[in-house]
Amino acid sequence: QKEVEQDPGPLSVPEGAIVSLNCTYSNSAFQYFMWYRQYSRKGPELLMYTYSSGNKEDGRFTAQVDKSSKYISLFIRDSQPSDSATYLCAMSATGNQFYFGTGTSLTVIP
Amino acid sequence: DAGVTQSPTHLIKTRGQQVTLRCSPKSGHDTVSWYQQALGQGPQFIFQYYEEEERQRGNFPDRFSGHQFPNYSSELNVNALLLGDSALYLCASSLYGPGNNEQFFGPGTRLTVL
Repeated sequence: QKEVEQDPGPLSVPEGAIVSLNCTYSNSAFQYFMWYRQYSRKGPELLMYTYSSGNKEDGRFTAQVDKSSKYISLFIRDSQPSDSATYLCAMSATGNQFYFGTGTSLTVIP
Repeated sequence: DAGVTQSPTHLIKTRGQQVTLRCSPKSGHDTVSWYQQALGQGPQFIFQYYEEEERQRGNFPDRFSGHQFPNYSSELNVNALLLGDSALYLCASSLYGPGNNEQFFGPGTRLTVL
């Protein structure tokens, strides 16, 4: 079983839609969670960082962590064509070695 | 404020050769982590350096080695290259210690092994 599971998509939504991206994990020791956006052939760009459980909001992005269900989510409100990218979740028990999902490919259609 | 930089951008090598990749961390960061990202996959952790020592290592063979310099920059060395080593190699910088673990990535070095 992989440490982190993420639906690869692809996911296609109309401009302005709310996007929900999810990851599940098996290691109950994970307590550091991050979401990255990666454009084709570029390095990942950090979007959200969360420690332990709860919600965090930053502009159009909201990250949720449910440690009891071992499930994390990223919501994107008012999605834009520029949001079209691959979204990666990452998590760690120690804050040193991070385990990544395979990424979800998102396309926002104008 | 300069972000994470990596060099070179692209590299083509043949099987059996050796390669060295370089990384300069974001200003103020003291920790460098290296990841390998194969096409269509998420990054896989290779190792992390802090205070010029390897602090943690992922499931990679000894052909992968590294170094951190006093100015916090780092190198990744790969010996005896295999075709399967073809990937995007990413460097991430952060601050060491709990609660400050956001990792910021560089643009990566794309390695092709022929």
